[in-house]
Amino acid sequence: EDKVVQSPLSLVVHEGDTVTLNCSYEVTNFRSLLWYKQEKKAPTFLFMLTSSGIEKKSGRLSSILDKKELFSILNITATQTGDSAVYLCAVEEYGGTSYGKLTFGQGTILTVHP
Amino acid sequence: EAGVTQFPSHSVIEKGQTVTLRCDPISGHDNLYWYRRVMGKEIKFLLHFVKESKQDESGMPNNRFLAERTGGTYSTLKVQPAELEDSGVYFCASSQGTGYTGELFFGEGSRLTVL
Repeated sequence: EDKVVQSPLSLVVHEGDTVTLNCSYEVTNFRSLLWYKQEKKAPTFLFMLTSSGIEKKSGRLSSILDKKELFSILNITATQTGDSAVYLCAVEEYGGTSYGKLTFGQGTILTVHP
Repeated sequence: EAGVTQFPSHSVIEKGQTVTLRCDPISGHDNLYWYRRVMGKEIKFLLHFVKESKQDESGMPNNRFLAERTGGTYSTLKVQPAELEDSGVYFCASSQGTGYTGELFFGEGSRLTVL
């Protein structure tokens, strides 16, 4: 069965710290890996990664994929209290012309204290 | 622009009863997805509509679950009869029909509690 494992499951840091969230996966026909942020209720999209070694960046957040070792990391630098959320990693497999069938990990709960 | 809206936000029912959850996707989004998160587990895929057609319903747990999307706009997910293990948060998501970027727009979820 396809599997996505995130670590750590929870993390508590102080403002200004840098954090690294991990996601490893085992899927049969990998298409992409996605990161979502869930602050209160609705997950919101952060990144989609399809190629190894190419960093995606948005402000203080960045992510990279290693398709040989089957993992991805999400880095957040200079954390702020607004970064407190559940960070979800998901993997998508090839499904012909169909998109959007994601296999999610358990999520990492990040808490940033002032 | 309105996001994905789901109704009700929370429903509490007795085992054996029926519940219908509704999702209104972002206007113009052809793709509509249902996911659910049961307590302590990961968010899991249920099914995918493209317009009014079921593209993939491989995640539907059993025949007590029925999803429809008549007219290719809003969708309903009916659970009949509900069982205790159906409790969880049911998420709907939508995406546009072309130029897939990986971005699914999620609703806030409908929390279902079966007593």
